[in-house]
Amino acid sequence: NAGVTQTPKFRVLKTGQSMTLLCAQDMNHEYMYWYRQDPGMGLRLIHYSVGEGTTAKGEVPDGYNVSRLKKQNFLLGLESAAPSQTSVYFCASGTVNTGELFFGEGSRLTVL
Amino acid sequence: GENVEQHPSTLSVQEGDSAVIKCTYSDSASNYFPWYKQELGKGPQLIIDIRSNVGEKKDQRIAVTLNKTAKHFSLHITETQPEDSAVYFCAASIENNFNKFYFGSGTKLNVKP
Repeated sequence: NAGVTQTPKFRVLKTGQSMTLLCAQDMNHEYMYWYRQDPGMGLRLIHYSVGEGTTAKGEVPDGYNVSRLKKQNFLLGLESAAPSQTSVYFCASGTVNTGELFFGEGSRLTVL
Repeated sequence: GENVEQHPSTLSVQEGDSAVIKCTYSDSASNYFPWYKQELGKGPQLIIDIRSNVGEKKDQRIAVTLNKTAKHFSLHITETQPEDSAVYFCAASIENNFNKFYFGSGTKLNVKP
């Protein structure tokens, strides 16, 4: 049982480049989330999805886009990367029944 | 929106001692309060949670208390062990409406052997 898988685990970008982070879960969860983790700031919600085909903004959505074309996948896109987007990104999934979030192992992104 | 504050940011204890981490929240509608443990290089993992209809919950060496009136909740770890060393996050959400979880800023716990 893989749980939540994020790819890639590490990436270095130059300012202005674009990229996509992929999150896949095999637990048939309805909810999926993208967080960023910065020192001293905890986990901040970027975007989330309550089901296939639906997405919504979180606390810090600017500069990011998401898509959830399939229930098991949640993609996070950076159209034009900026140094302020240097962070560790975590994907999580969960159900409405329990509230427990299952996190991936994180993707470390550096924007030069 | 909800604002969750967590203290202290770092905590160092001797093995066998107790550790307490405190969080406050602002939205009285929040009624679900989980605690997550993040080990180095890993994603956070749920260790215990509490709902607003109870004041305390225990699971072996870990306990969580909730004071709804004061809007604060705490994590208590007794008989700490080196493997308890990690970053701990508190969070607040609304049960049956888990659109958003609001996390505290985290506490780095160091248990010295």
